[in-house]
Amino acid sequence: EVQVLESGGGLVQPGGSLRLSCAASGFSVSNSAMNWVRQAPGKGLEWVSTITSSGGSTFYADSVKGRFSISRDDSKNTLHLQMNSLRADDTAVYFCTKGGNWGQGTLVTVSS
Amino acid sequence: DIQMTQSPSSLSASVGDRVTITCRASQGIRNDLGWYHQKPGKAPKRLIYAASSLQGGVPSRFSGSGSGTEFTLTINSLQPEDFATYYCLQYNTYPWTFGQGTKVEIK
Repeated sequence: EVQVLESGGGLVQPGGSLRLSCAASGFSVSNSAMNWVRQAPGKGLEWVSTITSSGGSTFYADSVKGRFSISRDDSKNTLHLQMNSLRADDTAVYFCTKGGNWGQGTLVTVSS
Repeated sequence: DIQMTQSPSSLSASVGDRVTITCRASQGIRNDLGWYHQKPGKAPKRLIYAASSLQGGVPSRFSGSGSGTEFTLTINSLQPEDFATYYCLQYNTYPWTFGQGTKVEIK
């Protein structure tokens, strides 16, 4: 069964950094396109980033470009999202997705 | 960026009703569109991919249609568990973009 499980969220001060992880089971991240999507409190869904299956090309929303970095650790079958220079408007639940499979999300709160 | 205009933003319906939600893309996206629903506090769940393909395990009362710029999600015979917020997502071109959502409420 394909499953993804996010971790790493928490409270961080503006300007700080956080690394989210997404542990995959039932498939290999090394040959899968995977994504991060976020949802601010009471708001709609926002695509954040994608890493493609072949060659590992990466794409980012303009709102996070230059601050966030998506990567994968094939040895641990895990996807990561490194988030730097965090701002209050990055506060959201972050979901890891592979096609139709979504995790339950991890909450990131950016506040002083 | 491709804008996805979803309508209506909310609707009230009764159990057994037929419901239709529309997404319009600002430029052609072939059939690279998915439909999701989300209940409060839960992760979104994909219902439809490739505009009209039913996700495994999703009831057949859900159906999708369209191509290019106009897309429709239809729910035949609305059930109590269908009251949720629905989103479309275009994945034709980066940045991927979601519609703003349609909240389906009980009349």
